[in-house]
Amino acid sequence: DQQVKQNSPSLSVQEGRISILNCDYTNSMFDYFLWYKKYPAEGPTFLISISSIKDKNEDGRFTVFLNKSAKHLSLHIVPSQPGDSAVYFCAATSMDSSYKLIFGSGTRLLVRP
Amino acid sequence: GAGVSQTPSNKVTEKGKYVELRCDPISGHTALYWYRQSLGQGPEFLIYFQGTGAADDSGLPNDRFFAVRPEGSVSTLKIQRTERGDSAVYLCASSLTGTKETQYFGPGTRLLVL
Repeated sequence: DQQVKQNSPSLSVQEGRISILNCDYTNSMFDYFLWYKKYPAEGPTFLISISSIKDKNEDGRFTVFLNKSAKHLSLHIVPSQPGDSAVYFCAATSMDSSYKLIFGSGTRLLVRP
Repeated sequence: GAGVSQTPSNKVTEKGKYVELRCDPISGHTALYWYRQSLGQGPEFLIYFQGTGAADDSGLPNDRFFAVRPEGSVSTLKIQRTERGDSAVYLCASSLTGTKETQYFGPGTRLLVL
């Protein structure tokens, strides 16, 4: 049973446009959410996070939105750049095991020049 | 400063053999984690160390897998009697204290069991 789901395996957007990556979760005990970015042959790199007490967190071109009632979060990248092309993983931790990241299966983003 | 390093970067072994994978965390980080990533999937939690002790090893798939961190720094993941299904990328991460904070990942060890 996948507790964190990324239903879009891939996404292609034009440079300069917005990229929206989506993530759904099932566990109501999740209280902290993170996005990681992964380039080939490298480990995942932390991008941005959000606590369940917030509904939005912004860092430069990256914004994460959390809709707790829908158990849904999204990552917006504006404007998208070719260097953003990577695999993006959504992850969550729960109140009772705050050290354990539960990852989705990832979305491969391609930003076309 | 230096990030998390893992050796070897690639390991090819035969079914039934024993392998050791090493992780050097960021200096000063007390928390260390092992994850396994299979093709097309996200990383899956294996084990969490706080200092020298394994605080949670619930993700280890079976008793062929074992990990140690004897001095609270370097960790070794040990796999006995490897099986083809063990083929995956093994990722190590570390963080400062272990609770709701950024985990910094190494590049991983790609294990292939023939």
